[in-house]
Amino acid sequence: EVQLQQSGTVLARPGASVKMSCKASGYTFTSYWMHWVKQRPGQGLEWIGAIYPGNSDTSYNQKFKGKAKLTAVTSTSTAYMELSSLTNEDSAVYYCTEGSSYFDYWGQGTTLTVSS
Amino acid sequence: DIVMTQSPATLSVTPGDRVSLSCRASQSISDYLHWYQQKSHESPRLLIKYASQSISGIPSRFSGSGSGSDFTLSINSVEPEDVGVYYCQNGHSFPRTFGGGTKLEIK
Repeated sequence: EVQLQQSGTVLARPGASVKMSCKASGYTFTSYWMHWVKQRPGQGLEWIGAIYPGNSDTSYNQKFKGKAKLTAVTSTSTAYMELSSLTNEDSAVYYCTEGSSYFDYWGQGTTLTVSS
Repeated sequence: DIVMTQSPATLSVTPGDRVSLSCRASQSISDYLHWYQQKSHESPRLLIKYASQSISGIPSRFSGSGSGSDFTLSINSVEPEDVGVYYCQNGHSFPRTFGGGTKLEIK
């Protein structure tokens, strides 16, 4: 059974950086893209970017270049996203989801609240 | 970037109705179009892949059609549990993009 287990709720200060994780199980981690999706309260889904753990190739939404950094550790089947220079606009739920063209498995989401 | 436009933004229906949700891509994406359902406080769930392919475990009342740039998600005989927001997604190229969503309400 494929599972994506995300790290817990985060409270951060404006200007800080945070790193969240997504631990995969039940499939070959290195063979599928891992994507990250942002959802602000009451808003739609926004694709941040993706990493291919097999070779660490990445693709980013231009909007999130410089904001998000995607990495992956194959030995632990864990993907990471680091968000930097946080503002209130970064307060959201962040999902990891695996797939190539479509996304058939999703994590439970990590809630980030940015507040002073 | 490929822009995905969904309509209507909100749909209020009666149980048993047949409904159609529209999704349009700003350029042709062949059949690389996928549909998701998101219920309140839950992660999105894949409903239909490649425009019309069914997904195991998804009720048969959900179906998809279209190709190129115009797509439709149909729900045959809506049930109260179908309340939520429905998103289409471009799976043709990076960046992946989502439509703004259609919120389905039950009268």
